[in-house]
Amino acid sequence: QAVLTQPPSVSGAPGQRVTISCTGSLSSIGAGYDVHWYQQFPGTAPKLLISTNINRPSGVPDRFSVSKSGTSASLAISGLQAEDEADYFCQSYDSSLTAPHVFGTGTKVTVL
Amino acid sequence: QVQLQESGPGLVKPSETLSLTCTVSGDSMSDSYWNWIRQPPGKGLEWIAYISYSGYTNYDPSLKSRVTISIDTSKNLLSLKVISVTPADTAVYYCARGQYYGPFDPWGQGTLVTVSS
Repeated sequence: QAVLTQPPSVSGAPGQRVTISCTGSLSSIGAGYDVHWYQQFPGTAPKLLISTNINRPSGVPDRFSVSKSGTSASLAISGLQAEDEADYFCQSYDSSLTAPHVFGTGTKVTVL
Repeated sequence: QVQLQESGPGLVKPSETLSLTCTVSGDSMSDSYWNWIRQPPGKGLEWIAYISYSGYTNYDPSLKSRVTISIDTSKNLLSLKVISVTPADTAVYYCARGQYYGPFDPWGQGTLVTVSS
């Protein structure tokens, strides 16, 4: 069902910078809709992390940043920390005949 | 702050109907869209449906024929029914508050539903 494509995994050493891509289409990210990122730890519910309209919920470190270009978006984690090891999902609105809300395939971030 | 709590049967037999509820506390259900999202074990997130405070609904086209979302604003209750379930409906089901274009925030803690005979 997912129509946003993410790499299955990314990894980095503590302190490094990693990026996660999220590729959509002309009816989703390419249409200008915001992209939202969620962080999920094993056995827990996803939690809103950050959005491309730079809405960062209180308590989210500014090590997390987002960007968007064309039909893709990216989440960057600077100064990677052990506590950042989790699954990350992107999400956007889609104006085509698919479901209006679409999620990415998910990316596992591993801190080496 | 608003909190969401799902409840469900845990185990459902194939071909039966799955009924889930989500209790919303800490705020009114107005000015938001209320969503159901599921996650099969070890897999990604799947948006199922939303309903507005006024009762406007939208469904994932692939599930629309089997799913009904409803809201009881007097009881701050969100519900989901899925008919004719199969093992493919096995998942953790989450309720989440959203806006028309997203995002989803907050989420409930989720309830695991297993479809098995």
